[in-house]
Amino acid sequence: GAVVSQHPSRVICKSGTSVKIECRSLDFQATTMFWYRQFPKQSLMLMATSNEGSKATYEQGVEKDKFLINHASLTLSTLTVTSAHPEDSSFYICSARTGSESNQPQHFGDGTRLSIL
Amino acid sequence: DAKTTQPTSMDCAEGRAANLPCNHSTISGNEYVYWYRQIHSQGPQYIIHGLKNNETNEMASLIITEDRKSSTLILPHATLRDTAVYYCIVRSYSGNTPLVFGKGTRLSVIA
Repeated sequence: GAVVSQHPSRVICKSGTSVKIECRSLDFQATTMFWYRQFPKQSLMLMATSNEGSKATYEQGVEKDKFLINHASLTLSTLTVTSAHPEDSSFYICSARTGSESNQPQHFGDGTRLSIL
Repeated sequence: DAKTTQPTSMDCAEGRAANLPCNHSTISGNEYVYWYRQIHSQGPQYIIHGLKNNETNEMASLIITEDRKSSTLILPHATLRDTAVYYCIVRSYSGNTPLVFGKGTRLSVIA
C-alpha cells in the first residue's frame, strides 16, 4: 500500500530555532499533501494544504510566515517552523493523496514530535 | 461543525467483535465515509471507506445503513493491538478536500 515517510520523528531544540520537517510519498506521486498538528489528548487539526508547484493554502488562524510550506516535487513537501517557541511544541503529521482519483484515501506519516525548550 | 458523531469511548473483550458506531445524518450524496485509527504517538492509519455499499477488507468491515445516515465499523476479532482512537470521517469525493477529524472513539481492547 501507499507509504508516507516523515522525518525526523522527534526534534528537541531551543526556543528561537527554525525546524524543518520533511514528508515524502515513497511509492506514489502526491499532487496534494496536507499538514496537521495535534496537541496532547486532542484530535488532529488541519494546518494547511500544499499543492505541488503552487502556494500552500493555510487554515484560518495558522500563520503562513511562521509555518513555511514548500511542495517542490511530486514526492516531497516540507514544513518549516520558523523561530519556534514552546507553544509550538506539538505533534506534526503530514498526509498525502494522489490527485488522480479523488475518493482515494489519504495516507499519513508517523508524525514528528516537536519539543521546544 | 462536526459532521459525524461517535461515542467517546468503548471497551471490547479480546477475541470478540468490536462494533464501532458512527452517526452522519447530514451526509450528502457525494460524500464517502472513511474510517481511520490512531494508535498512541503514531500517525492515523487508513482502515476502510465506502459510499453506500457494505465493504470488507483484511482489516475490517464497514456496514452503511440504507439511508446512509449511520455506519458501523466491525473489527471481527479484536486484539490488544487494536486499542486505538477510531475516527469516522465523511468527505466529498469531488475536489481535493482534506480529511477533517472529529474526536473519535477511544477503543480499549481488554484481555
